[in-house]
Amino acid sequence: NAGVTQTPKFQVLKTGQSMTLQCAQDMNHEYMSWYRQDPGMGLRLIHYSVGAGITDQGEVPNGYNVSRSTTEDFPLRLLSAAPSQTSVYFCASSYSSRGTYEQYFGPGTRLTVT
Amino acid sequence: GNSVTQMEGPVTLSEEAFLTINCTYTATGYPSLFWYVQYPGEGLQLLLKATKADDKGSNKGFEATYRKETTSFHLEKGSVQVSDSAVYFCALPSNTGKLIFGQGTTLQVKP
Repeated sequence: NAGVTQTPKFQVLKTGQSMTLQCAQDMNHEYMSWYRQDPGMGLRLIHYSVGAGITDQGEVPNGYNVSRSTTEDFPLRLLSAAPSQTSVYFCASSYSSRGTYEQYFGPGTRLTVT
Repeated sequence: GNSVTQMEGPVTLSEEAFLTINCTYTATGYPSLFWYVQYPGEGLQLLLKATKADDKGSNKGFEATYRKETTSFHLEKGSVQVSDSAVYFCALPSNTGKLIFGQGTTLQVKP
C-alpha cells in the first residue's frame, strides 16, 4: 500500500492564482481531512469528509474548497491564492475500529504564495 | 466538546536524559488517545496510542498511560537520543473521524 499520497510536494503561486492540491489514499478509509500547519499554530483543520459525497468545514475553511467524489481522492482547491495561505498542507485519512480513529498522514505540500 | 492541552516547548535535553511531555484532555466518554511525532521536514506519524483507561501505549522506548482520574496521557522516555529530536503532538478523536491536536511540543536533544 502507498498509504496517503500528496502532490505536489512544493508549490509557489502568485497572489490570485488558483490551484488544486491532490490527496489520495489506497486503504479504503472512510474519513479524510485536510490540515494546515503554520509555525506556532499547530495543526488546524480546513475541511474533512466522512465518506464519498460528504464534506464539512473545519476551523479554517475560508478560501478553500473540497469535494469527495470517490473514497480514494480528496482534492483541496485554493480559489484565489493569498499570502496568508502560505503554509504546509497535510492530508490525512482514518478509519473507525471500535471507536478508535487512527489517522494516517501524507508527507505534506509546502505552499508559498507571493 | 473534546479538547487537549499540551505543555509548551521547546524542550531541550541532553542525550540520555529523562523526558516527560505533559498532555491533559477534556472529553465526553473515554476516547482513544494518541501521540504523534513529526520529524523535521516530514509528515506526522503515529507514535503510540491507548484505547481505554489504564492502557499503556509504547513504541520506540516511549510510553504513555491513559489515566482517567487525572485525564492525562503524559509521554515519557527514560533515555532520549539525538534522533528523538522532533515535534510531538497529543491528540484525541472526535466522533467524525477528525483528530483534535494539542499545539505540539518541540523536543531538541543535544549530544
